[in-house]
Amino acid sequence: GENVEQHPSTLSVQEGDSAVIKCTYSDSASNYFPWYKQELGKGPQLIIDIRSNVGEKKDQRIAVTLNKTAKHFSLHITETQPEDSAVYFCAASRDMRFGAGTRLTVKP
Amino acid sequence: DGGITQSPKYLFRKEGQNVTLSCEQNLNHDAMYWYRQDPGQGLRLIYYSQIVNDFQKGDIAEGYSVSREKKESFPLTVTSAQKNPTAFYLCASSAGRGGSYEQYFGPGTRLTVT
Repeated sequence: GENVEQHPSTLSVQEGDSAVIKCTYSDSASNYFPWYKQELGKGPQLIIDIRSNVGEKKDQRIAVTLNKTAKHFSLHITETQPEDSAVYFCAASRDMRFGAGTRLTVKP
Repeated sequence: DGGITQSPKYLFRKEGQNVTLSCEQNLNHDAMYWYRQDPGQGLRLIYYSQIVNDFQKGDIAEGYSVSREKKESFPLTVTSAQKNPTAFYLCASSAGRGGSYEQYFGPGTRLTVT
């Protein structure tokens, strides 16, 4: 089955800086790569996703890049704000194996 | 309002008792999932169902059981065989085969077993 690794496990940035979270996956047949944001005590919510026929996707301050050859994809958050503080999860494939998560803290 | 609901939000049980967690969705989704989340850890897949009356084991199915008798409902039973049942349980749904892979999560149930 799919194996997803996510780094770093924690990330602290100053407000206004950029944050980058990286994931690698093992199954070359995976074709769907979502990113979820989980706030304390709540269920995760999808923030952006990308399919294998696209190399990059952007939505305002959030972007995701995919390198299928290297089997890795990344989440980029620009101009970070305190409300971006949360745990972020990547996932791969249709049966949805998740990475271990990254706790992002944005310091005002 | 369309969405996915889990109840109760908090659940307390004594060791040795079975307990059933509820998950209901009105999104007309074919696929439903159960995940377990331990403090500071990711989401681990317990069971999933792609269609009514069918389900598959995930990575940590031992000590759990599910049923999928209706499209809207996917209850999870935590049995006394589960060695460490205290955790945060998340249910999710997606359109399934031929549709969007996006998962919609419920608010979760925090189970404490003492």
